[in-house]
Amino acid sequence: ETGVTQTPRHLVMGMTNKKSLKCEQHLGHNAMYWYKQSAKKPLELMFVYNFKEQTENNSVPSRFSPECPNSSHLFLHLHTLQPEDSALYLCASSQEDRDGNEQYFGPGTRLTVT
Amino acid sequence: AQKITQTQPGMFVQEKEAVTLDCTYDTSDQSYGLFWYKQPSSGEMIFLIYQGSYDEQNATEGRYSLNFQKARKSANLVISASQLGDSAMYFCAMREGPGGYQKVTFGTGTKLQVIP
Repeated sequence: ETGVTQTPRHLVMGMTNKKSLKCEQHLGHNAMYWYKQSAKKPLELMFVYNFKEQTENNSVPSRFSPECPNSSHLFLHLHTLQPEDSALYLCASSQEDRDGNEQYFGPGTRLTVT
Repeated sequence: AQKITQTQPGMFVQEKEAVTLDCTYDTSDQSYGLFWYKQPSSGEMIFLIYQGSYDEQNATEGRYSLNFQKARKSANLVISASQLGDSAMYFCAMREGPGGYQKVTFGTGTKLQVIP
């Protein structure tokens, strides 16, 4: 595996379900991110982990719960979601000790909440 | 005020022609970085090019170049010799501050369609 991988690629869940999104980066980076991409809206930063410590939580509802067990893995635990949470969820990673530190994105998980 | 503004929701370009995608930004930081990403219909965001606020020369990467005009706070992406595979959404983004973890703000994107 290379780059940033995300599983599952597609997920349909009911409002009472609990599910988790998984992200893994094979780039040796030290920062990982969760973004939400809804139709016709800019990419929204949800969470940032730098050296496994959460450094950003952009007023995300508590029904989204991130977990970063190590610098290569990032999870997003979902529970009691709402239909408006349907979106593309993108994971990204970057190396935070140099300039021009672009983020590398995974293919995303297309989430539909019914 | 929006930090990143992309005023062109959609653009068409003839194959093999050049196209410019507009991006303006707003920041009071002296140190910042500007990025362009491409998102095909498959969904994955692909990094294209980076320009640092202190870089004196415009960034270039193959057929991509960034027309950086600091005084105007613009960072337009120029794609030369367009190809059919260039059809995608293009996002301009900005990192503010000198580094640490990256808090990056994205624009709303421009949908580029290359016509054969």
